[in-house]
Amino acid sequence: AQTVTQSQPEMSVQEAETVTLSCTYDTSESDYYLFWYKQPPSRQMILVIRQEAYKQQNATENRFSVNFQKAAKSFSLKISDSQLGDAAMYFCAYRSPSGTASKLTFGTGTRLQVTL
Amino acid sequence: GAVVSQHPSWVICKSGTSVKIECRSLDFQATTMFWYRQFPKQSLMLMATSNEGSKATYEQGVEKDKFLINHASLTLSTLTVTSAHPEDSSFYICSAFSGRTHNEQFFGPGTRLTVL
Repeated sequence: AQTVTQSQPEMSVQEAETVTLSCTYDTSESDYYLFWYKQPPSRQMILVIRQEAYKQQNATENRFSVNFQKAAKSFSLKISDSQLGDAAMYFCAYRSPSGTASKLTFGTGTRLQVTL
Repeated sequence: GAVVSQHPSWVICKSGTSVKIECRSLDFQATTMFWYRQFPKQSLMLMATSNEGSKATYEQGVEKDKFLINHASLTLSTLTVTSAHPEDSSFYICSAFSGRTHNEQFFGPGTRLTVL
């Protein structure tokens, strides 16, 4: 079974600064998907970014980018120019390729605080 | 992205009663729907996976007879908490997946259940 580990329960960043959230995972599969989800106080899960394991290029979405190290099974999220609205819980998640095993495995989450 | 709704957004019930939570994919057909449970300050725990027209697959440790899941159509899944007790109080989140159109899960806004 796959496992996802987020070793930082809480992180803090000043507005306009950059912060990196860590995530490692364990799998024996060679093809899979990795995700970062944001859960603000409203508790609505929001997809931040997605990475397909077969792609060597790191995914980017505006101020959000990942550092995907397949051999090391590491998938960190970098948030640049942090904004107050970035304050939330961030969950790293793993998913097997499409099909019957399309369920997500979540990490324990990192609570991000953004300070002025 | 696609929209998933949940109803009700919150519910308070007496111990021993049953509560039904609906999950709808509003603008796409979901081949698979997932039900999660989230305790305060914790991650999402997958309870069950349901495919349209077939029985749900429950995760280990989840009581099938307590958490009844029905996925009668490609746009609707329901979770019924039967004979609810205070320990069933939690935040329940559904997600919908369509590998044909989006290849990602879309989450509902969640339902807060409080059992008195």
